[in-house]
Amino acid sequence: NAGVTQTPKFQVLKTGQSMTLQCAQDMNHEYMSWYRQDPGMGLRLIHYSVGAGITDQGEVPNGYNVSRSTTEDFPLRLLSAAPSQTSVYFCASSYSMSRGPTGSPLHFGNGTRLTVT
Amino acid sequence: EDKVVQSPLSLVVHEGDTVTLNCSYEVTNFRSLLWYKQEKKAPTFLFMLTSSGIEKKSGRLSSILDKKELFSILNITATQTGDSAVYLCAGVAGRGAQKLVFGQGTRLTINP
Repeated sequence: NAGVTQTPKFQVLKTGQSMTLQCAQDMNHEYMSWYRQDPGMGLRLIHYSVGAGITDQGEVPNGYNVSRSTTEDFPLRLLSAAPSQTSVYFCASSYSMSRGPTGSPLHFGNGTRLTVT
Repeated sequence: EDKVVQSPLSLVVHEGDTVTLNCSYEVTNFRSLLWYKQEKKAPTFLFMLTSSGIEKKSGRLSSILDKKELFSILNITATQTGDSAVYLCAGVAGRGAQKLVFGQGTRLTINP
């Protein structure tokens, strides 16, 4: 079972460069999301999607774009990388709230460690 | 603003000790509280708590939720070195779309 797959595992960018972090899940989950994890800050929500064609902003969306053209894929784009975007990025997915009123646990990918110099 | 606060931020104990990790939350339209364990990579799911006073248990780990006082605790008894990890709690907020708000995490170190 692949679960949630993130690529690449590591990336180094120069300031101003653009790139896309890939995320794919094979569990037919409606809900997908991106988090960044910084020391002492926990996990902060960047963007999320409740289904194909629907995306919304989380807590820290500036500098990031997302799209959801299929149920399986949810790429995160950095348009012009900045050193403040150095972080570990996690993609996570779950069944949607329509499956039940109390939420369902997120399944996480293994993360992408991004360094912007 | 939704907020989840964990304490302590860091804890070092000896193998065999019992530990209690705390999580307080202020989350709009609260639905549930989740606990995760994070070792080197992705967080792995431990518990989902939705009702006050009902203990969830898995081996040496247990957790309980108090929806009146807005907190949860995670207990680990007879700790082992393999329990060393960052423990994260998250509140599930909102109607319609699932939105998790995470705490900062508690880094637990178990010394042999």
